[in-house]
This record gives sequence, structure tokens and C-alpha cells, in this order.
Amino acid sequence: EAAVTQSPRSKVAVTGGKVTLSCHQTNNHDYMYWYRQDTGHGLRLIHYSYVADSTEKGDIPDGYKASRPSQENFSLILELASLSQTAVYFCASSDGWGQDTQYFGPGTRLLVL
Amino acid sequence: QQQVRQSPQSLTVWEGETAILNCSYENSAFDYFPWYQQFPGEGPALLISILSVSDKKEDGRFTIFFNKREKKLSLHIADSQPGDSATYFCAARSSGSWQLIFGSGTQLTVMP
Repeated sequence: EAAVTQSPRSKVAVTGGKVTLSCHQTNNHDYMYWYRQDTGHGLRLIHYSYVADSTEKGDIPDGYKASRPSQENFSLILELASLSQTAVYFCASSDGWGQDTQYFGPGTRLLVL
Repeated sequence: QQQVRQSPQSLTVWEGETAILNCSYENSAFDYFPWYQQFPGEGPALLISILSVSDKKEDGRFTIFFNKREKKLSLHIADSQPGDSATYFCAARSSGSWQLIFGSGTQLTVMP
């Protein structure tokens, strides 16, 4: 069964601090994604990657960086966390072809104070 | 600009009723429409999907009705159960694209 794990599951960060969210998949998928979920906005794409050592900007990349050091791992980095980045963050993976299914991790709840 | 819209934002039905969740879109190039189900504290998971060449897709108690001309689709959940209480996301993708565009979701509550 497809498996995407995220760490940490929850985090409290201070404004201006650096935050790194990690994602690991065992699906052998090429595509990985970082989404942000806010009430009333659904899921919005922050960054994605279709190959190791390469990342691409999604729809809302400002204030975020991403890193894909291997096919299995994909990180989201907040260099200077801000209050507006308080949200739930989801990682997902997929084949990226046709009507492929995106498999989501359990999410990371981030609170920036 | 929201390309995929969902309504209502929240919906409460009684156990055994049919819940109807609506979705509309703007981009005529969209041809694949998955619905994802999300339980509290979990990530979304694919529930059912439809291609634009079809007008109906059934999977057990879940049915998608698709109207290409009006750019609308709906998810019908028959004989709703309390375990169906979740948030449902309609999504869309155009042919040749990898990106899924998600709606804002409908939070469904099924009362016993």
C-alpha cells in the first residue's frame, strides 16, 4: 500500500525562526508535492518536484523553499516563519501520469507565534 | 481566481438520507475529476473519480453525476452513514497536465 509519512506531526515555531517540514514516500513515485490547507481555501500547491535534486514553484511559493535530495524525500523550508504561515501542511506523491492518484501524508500542523 | 468551486461549504444530513455535494469549474480543458475524502486529523484520500467522456460514475453508495455542458458535477452519497462524516474535495485536471486543482471542500456531517 502507498505510504507517505511526514514529520513532525505538529510544531510550534516563533516568528522569524526557521522551520523544516519533512516528507518521506515509499511509493517509488516520481512526483512529490507540498500543499497548504487553510479553512475555506482547500488545498493550495506550494512546491512540487518530479525528479530528485529539482524542485518547481507551485501556486503559492512565496516564503517557502523546497528540497528533494532523493526520490523518497521532499522537504519544505520556511526560512523566516511568519504568523500567516500558520496552517496544516500536506505532502503527497504520485506517478504524475494520466489519471494517477495522489497519495497524501497525515499532515503537519504548524503554529507560528 | 478559483477555478473549482464547491457548495455548500457545510452540509448536515440524517443517517439514511442522500447527501448531495456540488462542484463547478471554469476551465473547459479539465477532463478528469477526482473526489477526495478527508477525515479529521488525516490527509485526503481518493474516493471516486470520473472522466469528462462519462456522465455518471458509481462506486457502491457513491455516485458522480457530470454535466459537461454546464461545467458542473455532483457527488451523491446514498444511505449516508455517520462514518461518512468528513470533508470532501472536488478536484480537476486538464489532459496533459499533472496538476490537480482542488476546490475548497464541503464538510459533511451525518447525524445518527
